[in-house]
Amino acid sequence: NSKVIQTPRYLVKGQGQKAKMRCIPEKGHPVVFWYQQNKNNEFKFLINFQNQEVLQQIDMTEKRFSAECPSNSPCSLEIQSSEAGDSALYLCASSLQGDTEVFFGKGTRLTVV
Amino acid sequence: QQKVQQSPESLSVPEGGMASLNCTSSDRNFQYFWWYRQHSGEGPKALMSIFSDGDKKEGRFTAHLNKASLHVSLHIRDSQPSDSALYFCAASEQGGSSGNKLIFGIGTLLSVKP
Repeated sequence: NSKVIQTPRYLVKGQGQKAKMRCIPEKGHPVVFWYQQNKNNEFKFLINFQNQEVLQQIDMTEKRFSAECPSNSPCSLEIQSSEAGDSALYLCASSLQGDTEVFFGKGTRLTVV
Repeated sequence: QQKVQQSPESLSVPEGGMASLNCTSSDRNFQYFWWYRQHSGEGPKALMSIFSDGDKKEGRFTAHLNKASLHVSLHIRDSQPSDSALYFCAASEQGGSSGNKLIFGIGTLLSVKP
């Protein structure tokens, strides 16, 4: 069973509100990912970290999305001003380095009303 | 265009039957393939990986990879109702510079009827 812990499981926000979700990766995993899975089950890669450094991220030109993985604290993904189109399942995942299995948490389901 | 294409979108098989899922990549940078399974309300869980040409068998699950055509398949024999789930093919680029970021297909919804 995956030991990637995501909180909260469910999050309901009004449009324009800030939404923040957290993730504790599996112990010893230096690589952390955030994905968005929409209602059509499509995955969208958002960002990944190795230790505290960003490896890759999508073009967040809207600047509404931000993420961090500080040492000795949970990783987090924050949406500054939620929009209806942000409603989705946000999945955090972690892995060892290299081409190893990526373990996913159960996700945070965000609903923007 | 999706870089990882999956088919069929949905599949129904009787209990005890064989389920066959297909996946093709349009990007030759993708050399490593994974099959993930996602039950309702859960995150995806890796079933198996395949990196080399040929077959790889783990219990009731067999994956096949043809690197020349970038085609990978998953076959589930003796399907069980508990196998009913979304199945995703995922690919990653060779090398670790991207932190083995996975690109997912759109999924196949498998239903196993008792």
